[in-house]
Amino acid sequence: DAKTTQPPSMDCAEGRAANLPCNHSTISGNEYVYWYRQIHSQGPQYIIHGLKNNETNEMASLIITEDRKSSTLILPHATLRDTAVYYCIVRIRGGTDKLIFGTGTRLQVFP
Amino acid sequence: DTGVSQDPRHKITKRGQNVTFRCDPISEHNRLYWYRQTLGQGPEFLTYFQNEAQLEKSRLLSNRFSAERPKGSFSTLEIQRTEQGDSAMYLCASSLTSTTLPYEQYFGPGTRLTVT
Repeated sequence: DAKTTQPPSMDCAEGRAANLPCNHSTISGNEYVYWYRQIHSQGPQYIIHGLKNNETNEMASLIITEDRKSSTLILPHATLRDTAVYYCIVRIRGGTDKLIFGTGTRLQVFP
Repeated sequence: DTGVSQDPRHKITKRGQNVTFRCDPISEHNRLYWYRQTLGQGPEFLTYFQNEAQLEKSRLLSNRFSAERPKGSFSTLEIQRTEQGDSAMYLCASSLTSTTLPYEQYFGPGTRLTVT
């Protein structure tokens, strides 16, 4: 699985958009980009995934660059409950489907 | 609640004792994963099952660790002769398999183990 690079921490004002970047320059054609988050003392929670196209669901939007070497997770209107560690993970299609977590980005949403 | 459940949520044990954790996955999910997470780090993969078959074990899983999923439903993770280095959060996750798309994994709340 390709390695990912994320900033260790970010701040965001409540109500504003939070844009979390992820670099995955060695991604291969059959690898998906997945995002999970982990709120303090809870298990990780799936947010969104994508292959090539931008994706949106009720939680977030995922923007993947045309060369697929980086992506951005967007929380359009951050709330205090979005304070968490956000993990960007690249996963191959098939196989064990195990998740290889890095250290993620700690997002702090402030009032 | 139909999510992944884990029991116990917290366990304090003395060094050298054996401990066992249980995970109940989402009922229709045929894959079950165990991860371990230490403070300040992301979760690390330990092992996974497809139905009752254990298909992969990480090198992190020493011979003091054993996991089972006897009927393809719940799973247990046992640690024998616990050491202080085993102190961590043990997370269980479940998912459906697909030959064409890696399905998302749903995690339980974890079991926090403290070895004194």
